[in-house]
Amino acid sequence: AQTVTQSQPEMSVQEAETVTLSCTYDTSESDYYLFWYKQPPSRQMILVIRQEAYKQQNATENRFSVNFQKAAKSFSLKISDSQLGDAAMYFCAYRSAQGYNFNKFYFGSGTKLNVKP
Amino acid sequence: EAGVTQFPSHSVIEKGQTVTLRCDPISGHDNLYWYRRVMGKEIKFLLHFVKESKQDESGMPNNRFLAERTGGTYSTLKVQPAELEDSGVYFCASSQEFWTSNEQFFGPGTRLTVL
Repeated sequence: AQTVTQSQPEMSVQEAETVTLSCTYDTSESDYYLFWYKQPPSRQMILVIRQEAYKQQNATENRFSVNFQKAAKSFSLKISDSQLGDAAMYFCAYRSAQGYNFNKFYFGSGTKLNVKP
Repeated sequence: EAGVTQFPSHSVIEKGQTVTLRCDPISGHDNLYWYRRVMGKEIKFLLHFVKESKQDESGMPNNRFLAERTGGTYSTLKVQPAELEDSGVYFCASSQEFWTSNEQFFGPGTRLTVL
């Protein structure tokens, strides 16, 4: 089964600075999707960014970008110019692109990001 | 457009009692998913509905958990009888199609505490 590992339970960043959240995954599949979700306190999870494994170009969404290293099975999230509203729990997720398991997400344990003013 | 809603937001029950969680997906989403996060651990898949049919229930922990989606709209997840290890946050998600890279839209979760 696929596993997703987020080795940083909690991180802190100063407002306006840059922070990188780590995520690694284990899979034998060649085609899949990767996601970063954000869950602010007491609110629902929202999608931050997604990456298709067949695309070599790293995805970017405004201040959010990823460093996708397929061979290393690494998918880190970089947040530039951090804002107070970025404070949340961040979950990395994997989803198969085919086969029996492609209906479900596999999540990591999350990284709590604190943003200091 | 309203997002995925879940009720209640928090439930505290005693071991042996029954609890029913409800999820209302985004209107028009045929796919509905249940996930669970035990404290500090990863979010784990429980099951997937397509309309009213269970597509995949491989993640359901045991037969104390019963999920239904009558009429293909809202879904309920009943835990009977609840055990201490059932404590955690239960998330519901919905999506339009599941064969693409489309995201799943999540609700805020129901925090279940079993004493």
